[in-house]
Amino acid sequence: GAGVSQSPSNKVTEKGKDVELRCDPISGHTALYWYRQSLGQGLEFLIYFQGNSAPDKSGLPSDRFSAERTGGSVSTLTIQRTQQEDSAVYLCASSNRDLFRGYTFGSGTRLTVV
Amino acid sequence: AQSVTQLDSQVPVFEEAPVELRCNYSSSVSVYLFWYVQYPNQGLQLLLKYLSGSTLVKGINGFEAEFNKSQTSFHLRKPSVHISDTAEYFCAVSDTGANNLFFGTGTRLTVIP
Repeated sequence: GAGVSQSPSNKVTEKGKDVELRCDPISGHTALYWYRQSLGQGLEFLIYFQGNSAPDKSGLPSDRFSAERTGGSVSTLTIQRTQQEDSAVYLCASSNRDLFRGYTFGSGTRLTVV
Repeated sequence: AQSVTQLDSQVPVFEEAPVELRCNYSSSVSVYLFWYVQYPNQGLQLLLKYLSGSTLVKGINGFEAEFNKSQTSFHLRKPSVHISDTAEYFCAVSDTGANNLFFGTGTRLTVIP
């Protein structure tokens, strides 16, 4: 697509439920990144994909967080047994590894755990 | 690994006044430099980037930044700000040949009428 698409744009979930956040990167972008931004805070790196593999998942805060990418395209970030501290905006970005010119970000998913 | 320092977490400035948002990075190796802007309740948008060539880079909305290799800085400037410039600004750097960005903690610019 023309840009990075994230869905849903907003998600309200009850504590303890699982959620899935989706990212559809720019067509042809081989690298995909997930970040988390808590209210009024900077960007917290979560995980980086190159193709379908994740060479750097060092930012995932706990084993409740996981992510996968299939077909070198769409990625899903899954949070199990959500907690209130998981409330944040989750941002996805993609880039062209062979011609790196920075990231293109999606508009984010605002997750609220109640 | 790179690190990026944005010393000013908040910058209030009156409308039509000039502004400079500071950014310093750690490594002196060859780098790419970026400024992103985040308007309220939106994702990050690329404002400008330095890849090579002229050290003075012009971006959208009248912003510009100057790459200073000796001072490892990439400060963002605008000669006259508007209310609509109120946003969070993030500086980012990557080593050339790498494909990941290191972000600063952001500077919240508030333009006062």
